[in-house]
Amino acid sequence: EVQLVESGGGLVQPGGSLRLSCAASAFTFSSYWMSWVRQAPGKGLQWVAHIKQDGSEEYYVDSVKGRFTISRDNAKNSLYLQMNSLRAEDTAVYYCARGAWSPHDYYFDYWGQGTLVTVSS
Amino acid sequence: QSVLTQPPSVSGAPGQRVTISCTGSSSNIGAGYDVHWYQQLPGTAPKLLIHGNSNRPSGVPDRFSGSKSGTSASLAISGLQAEDEADYYCQSYDRSLSDYVFGTGTKVTVL
Repeated sequence: EVQLVESGGGLVQPGGSLRLSCAASAFTFSSYWMSWVRQAPGKGLQWVAHIKQDGSEEYYVDSVKGRFTISRDNAKNSLYLQMNSLRAEDTAVYYCARGAWSPHDYYFDYWGQGTLVTVSS
Repeated sequence: QSVLTQPPSVSGAPGQRVTISCTGSSSNIGAGYDVHWYQQLPGTAPKLLIHGNSNRPSGVPDRFSGSKSGTSASLAISGLQAEDEADYYCQSYDRSLSDYVFGTGTKVTVL
């Protein structure tokens, strides 16, 4: 069974940094696009970033461009999200999600359990 | 503020049929992009329910069905069960934003 396990969340001060990790298992990690999706407390879902199988393409939502970096290590079956210059509005549960393609666009077919990031002084 | 609008809540008695709408525009659903649906049970991660407008992944009961027309899409749950109480989100792509966007979410309550 596909498994995605996030780690690295916690409390950080505004302006600080945090690195999230996602360990993948039970599928060929190097064959899939991977994504991060977040959910602020009591709010809806927001796509954050995704990365191509070989890491050659990365895409971000405007609100995190220049501050967040998505990366992957296919040898370790791991996905990462480096978050810098964190703001209060980045407070959310961050989910790692496997990507899939329908004929016309992209969706998320498996999700991890999430890791909570709290940005507060 | 999401570009895909859903009703905040819907409710129904056990066994009834409920539908959840997802209203977009000509830059997302109306532009031909597919709609996908996710179920989020309380305190858990989202789970894929419908992909490509109307396709159910393996293991999803056929009580769940999806459709798309024009600038909107719908998720129908027939034979409503207590275990269906959850939040439901639609998702598509918006070419004006160049973003993958989610709907505002709908809470389903089983009376």
